[in-house]
Amino acid sequence: DSGVTQTPKHLITATGQRVTLRCSPRSGDLSVYWYQQSLDQGLQFLIHYYNGEERAKGNILERFSAQQFPDLHSELNLSSLELGDSALYFCASSVEGGADDEQFFGPGTRLTVL
Amino acid sequence: SQQGEEDPQALSIQEGENATMNCSYKTSINNLQWYRQNSGRGLVHLILIRSNEREKHSGRLRVTLDTSKKSSSLLITASRAADTASYFCATRDSFSGYSTLTFGKGTMLLVSP
Repeated sequence: DSGVTQTPKHLITATGQRVTLRCSPRSGDLSVYWYQQSLDQGLQFLIHYYNGEERAKGNILERFSAQQFPDLHSELNLSSLELGDSALYFCASSVEGGADDEQFFGPGTRLTVL
Repeated sequence: SQQGEEDPQALSIQEGENATMNCSYKTSINNLQWYRQNSGRGLVHLILIRSNEREKHSGRLRVTLDTSKKSSSLLITASRAADTASYFCATRDSFSGYSTLTFGKGTMLLVSP
């Protein structure tokens, strides 16, 4: 158990819908990262937040947005869902966000878009 | 985009044998990390090697890094059935900011009893 929690574990929804994925980092970690894992794209970095502020953006679509709240939990919002958005979405956390930081991954949310 | 490319894509061995996985990458890096993922679950950090290091050990794991060839290898010695998992290399490159980890597509390791 990494100490990172993600809810829900599974999500099944229809195209065009909007969903929110939630992540609680390990106690004391200030950085939260979101990743998408799919069969064709592999594991892709989406976005990084540090202490409430966006730090870096990766391959995140404009239909996706994220935020980190004052209590450091984070939410990833996916809207206008498409079939291709079906994937495992992981959240990870680290103490600061520096180059040598180990990232601790949550168990993931499996999103299925029908 | 993928930075690391693991080789082989899949590896099947017997318990007690050694498993070697390789990773190649494209840009200059700050460090390279190896992660393990059990089927459909979260990734677990295994080891980090900095760009100025050549070799690192952790228990039954040995990682090497050759920055001139932009490649790394992960050796698991005396493998066990519990080592069955996918293994990913991930790089932090030197220029795009410290927070970005770029993962390869992974090597699936099957260790049979």
